[in-house]
Amino acid sequence: EIVLTQSPDTLSLSPGERAIVSCRASQSVRSRYLAWYQQKPGQAPRLLVYGASSRATGVPDRFTGSGSETDFALTISRLEPEDFAVYYCQQYGSSPGTFGGGTKVDI
Amino acid sequence: DVQLVVSGGGLVQPGGSLRLSCEVSGFNFGAYWMSWVRQAPGKGLEWVATLNQDGSETYYLDSVKGRLAISRDNPKNSLYLSINTLRSEDTAVYYCARAYLVVVPDIMPVLDYWGQGALVIVSS
Repeated sequence: EIVLTQSPDTLSLSPGERAIVSCRASQSVRSRYLAWYQQKPGQAPRLLVYGASSRATGVPDRFTGSGSETDFALTISRLEPEDFAVYYCQQYGSSPGTFGGGTKVDI
Repeated sequence: DVQLVVSGGGLVQPGGSLRLSCEVSGFNFGAYWMSWVRQAPGKGLEWVATLNQDGSETYYLDSVKGRLAISRDNPKNSLYLSINTLRSEDTAVYYCARAYLVVVPDIMPVLDYWGQGALVIVSS
């Protein structure tokens, strides 16, 4: 199965700064079948991006997904207070589908 | 508004069984594939099961096959997950979620709406 490795584990930033979360796959993710989710403490995950770069409904345009094959990234252009959370990547191109280990973006 | 409400979690002894329920509202439940995803305390997310719109096709993570059973009752707008022979490693928050995009049925879909989750603790 494809293993997704996210980096860094924790990203310490301030509101207004740019955040870049990396997701590296152990083998190529076909057709850019990669999604990103946001999870806040005590809450369920929220879908942000699918198809590597397509934003889900209602997701602000400060969230941008990019990448292909084995290297993907989620960029948050200017952090808002509500963006401090854990972010997970997910590949859905190869059985069974897997999540990365998560990156915490905190203040 | 789309809502998914999970119930049925709790403390269970090793070897026991339980059934989680997920009652949904705000969308045409019978038109969507649905999934269960779990998250062990302090850990990441792990997909465990998916089923199609009428419940005739089910797919599982290999490591849980034979012990977990996903099902649905469309008239009741409800999704279920039965877990048998519970082990300590089944301790987790279990989320139900709606499939937004199903590429291949035996691969975890993209999930757009999630319930709040139910905590299952397996301990004696």
